[in-house]
Amino acid sequence: EAQVTQNPRYLITVTGKKLTVTCSQNMNHEYMSWYRQDPGLGLRQIYYSMNVEVTDKGDVPEGYKVSRKEKRNFPLILESPSPNQTSLYFCASSSIGPGANVLTFGAGSRLTVL
Amino acid sequence: GNSVTQMEGPVTLSEEAFLTINCTYTATGYPSLFWYVQYPGEGLQLLLKATKADDKGSNKGFEATYRKETTSFHLEKGSVQVSDSAVYFCALFKNTGNQFYFGTGTSLTVIP
Repeated sequence: EAQVTQNPRYLITVTGKKLTVTCSQNMNHEYMSWYRQDPGLGLRQIYYSMNVEVTDKGDVPEGYKVSRKEKRNFPLILESPSPNQTSLYFCASSSIGPGANVLTFGAGSRLTVL
Repeated sequence: GNSVTQMEGPVTLSEEAFLTINCTYTATGYPSLFWYVQYPGEGLQLLLKATKADDKGSNKGFEATYRKETTSFHLEKGSVQVSDSAVYFCALFKNTGNQFYFGTGTSLTVIP
């Protein structure tokens, strides 16, 4: 089954404790992206990647890092989480090209930073 | 810059009522336009899309027409069901910049 898998689905952590949210897709998509969803703000893009070793900042990259060492994986790293990073996070992927560009989303990771 | 504006929610309708959720966009050139739906506790999934002016996207009884002259992509359904209760997001994609832009989402509740 074609899918985007995120882990963990739920996480409660404390300020300053580094964490990584993993994202993996099995569709050989070039494009991968991370979003956060907050009430009243909709989805905001954190980082995206067009291919292996190519990453770019989205609209709200502060406090986050990403890497794309393999085509299928795109982990989101919070080096020193803070309470304002409490949010619902989504990873998504897409192929690139005319008529493509349809995002497939993961089920989401709900992060709480105390 | 590029942006999407959609009508504020929440929206509550009775079953079989007509639904319109307004969406307008700001972008240069010819972006692709999408509606995504998020059911409770799930990720977003594509509902429909349109890639050029005057295209009509349709799926599951929902429709939206890409109107370049009014920069709009309003979502409509003639008769909603309880199972349509969800959050609906309008979005655009621009090849230049390779970014997706989402609206804030509109929550729809359909009551029997």
